[in-house]
Amino acid sequence: AQSVAQPEDQVNVAEGNPLTVKCTYSVSGNPYLFWYVQYPNRGLQFLLKYITGDNLVKGSYGFEAEFNKSQTSFHLKKPSALVSDSALYFCAVRNYHAGGTSYGKLTFGQGTILTVHP
Amino acid sequence: EADIYQTPRYLVIGTGKKITLECSQTMGHDKMYWYQQDPGMELHLIHYSYGVNSTEKGDLSSESTVSRIRTEHFPLTLESARPSHTSQYLCASSESWEAFFGQGTRLTVV
Repeated sequence: AQSVAQPEDQVNVAEGNPLTVKCTYSVSGNPYLFWYVQYPNRGLQFLLKYITGDNLVKGSYGFEAEFNKSQTSFHLKKPSALVSDSALYFCAVRNYHAGGTSYGKLTFGQGTILTVHP
Repeated sequence: EADIYQTPRYLVIGTGKKITLECSQTMGHDKMYWYQQDPGMELHLIHYSYGVNSTEKGDLSSESTVSRIRTEHFPLTLESARPSHTSQYLCASSESWEAFFGQGTRLTVV
C-alpha cells in the first residue's frame, strides 16, 4: 500500500526567512510526487510535481521541492517566505507502475499548516 | 482554472435522508477521485475511478457509493445520511499527472 507522511502538523516561520515543509513517501515502483496548497473553504490548488528528471523541481509562487530517492523524501521549500504563503499544504504520491489496482490512485499526507509571521 | 464542478457547495440535511453529491469535469479526464476531509484537515481517499464503469474503494471505508456511467460525471450517494457523515467532500480529476480539485461540498447531517 502506498502512503505519505508529513511529520509536522504545523510549521512557523518569520516572513523573509526560508521555509521547509517535510514529506516522506512509500510506494512500489517509481513515484509521481505532488504538492498542493489549500486556503480556507477552498479546494486544493496544485503547486508542483516530480515525474522524472532533475531532482529539484520548481513550481508556482516561488516554491520548489527536492526529490531524494534514497531518503524517499520530497520536501517543499521556499527561499523567502511571505505572509500570504500561510495555508495548509499537502504532499501526495501516485504509483507510477501501470497495472494493478493501485494504478492512478492518488494518496495524500495528513497536511501541514504553514504560518508565516510578519 | 480547472473545469471541475461540485454541487451543492453546502448542504444541511436530516438524519436518514438520501443524498447525492454531484461532481462534473469538462476536461475529459479518465481518472476521478472522491476525498473526505476531516475538520482537522486530513484528506482520506474514499472512492476512485479509472474510467467509465470502473470504480474502486479508497483507503478509508465509507458507506457512500459512486458510479461512473459517463466520463465527465462521478456522483457520490449516501443512502441514509448520519451525523457521522458530516464532513467536507472533495472531488478531483486527473489525466496523466496532477489532479484538479473542485471547490468541495460541506455536508452537515443533523
